[in-house]
Amino acid sequence: GAVVSQHPSWVICKSGTSVKIECRSLDFQATTMFWYRQFPKQSLMLMATSNEGSKATYEQGVEKDKFLINHASLTLSTLTVTSAHPEDSSFYICSGLLRSTDTQYFGPGTRLTVL
Amino acid sequence: QQQVKQSPQSLIVQKGGISIINCAYENTAFDYFPWYQQFPGKGPALLIAIRPDVSEKKEGRFTISFNKSAKQFSLHIMDSQPGDSATYFCAAGGFKTIFGAGTRLFVKA
Repeated sequence: GAVVSQHPSWVICKSGTSVKIECRSLDFQATTMFWYRQFPKQSLMLMATSNEGSKATYEQGVEKDKFLINHASLTLSTLTVTSAHPEDSSFYICSGLLRSTDTQYFGPGTRLTVL
Repeated sequence: QQQVKQSPQSLIVQKGGISIINCAYENTAFDYFPWYQQFPGKGPALLIAIRPDVSEKKEGRFTISFNKSAKQFSLHIMDSQPGDSATYFCAAGGFKTIFGAGTRLFVKA
């Protein structure tokens, strides 16, 4: 199957700082990537759809100025959590869309802890 | 109309038994139905997927049964093993995927 990586796998930061998470499709070109947030024992909550070369589409209730998404190449999308606060602590997961089958392949996730 | 309802929320099965997880969808425009397996602290991994033109798909111990008229589909895990203990998500969609709430499966040794 297609492989998606995420970096870092975990990060701890102080309140008020910004954190960048990278999502890479390693063996396929992902013109579309998705960013999810997952709370403990809950399902995946779609935050935004990232399209290469264009602005991301955010789901209702997601602050686009707080969660900055950049999809500058066919294999890389980044999520920057700006001015992070403890309530932003969560498990963030990205996926790359394999267009030929409309299948999403997920990265391993990034655990963000804001102190 | 965008919901995917998944049941049960949790499931305990004896080793060697059959695990069955059910999902129902509402939007008839959905044309792709994958199942994902997620272990704690890891991202979801694609397990098996089906399209509405077939009623069943089998890969190893995993089988998807699909009922288009009832708008329901299910995952059957045959000969369940302790290593299958994980959270399973059904999903539906195409370009954009809607996920079920998840089922936590525990297989007792």
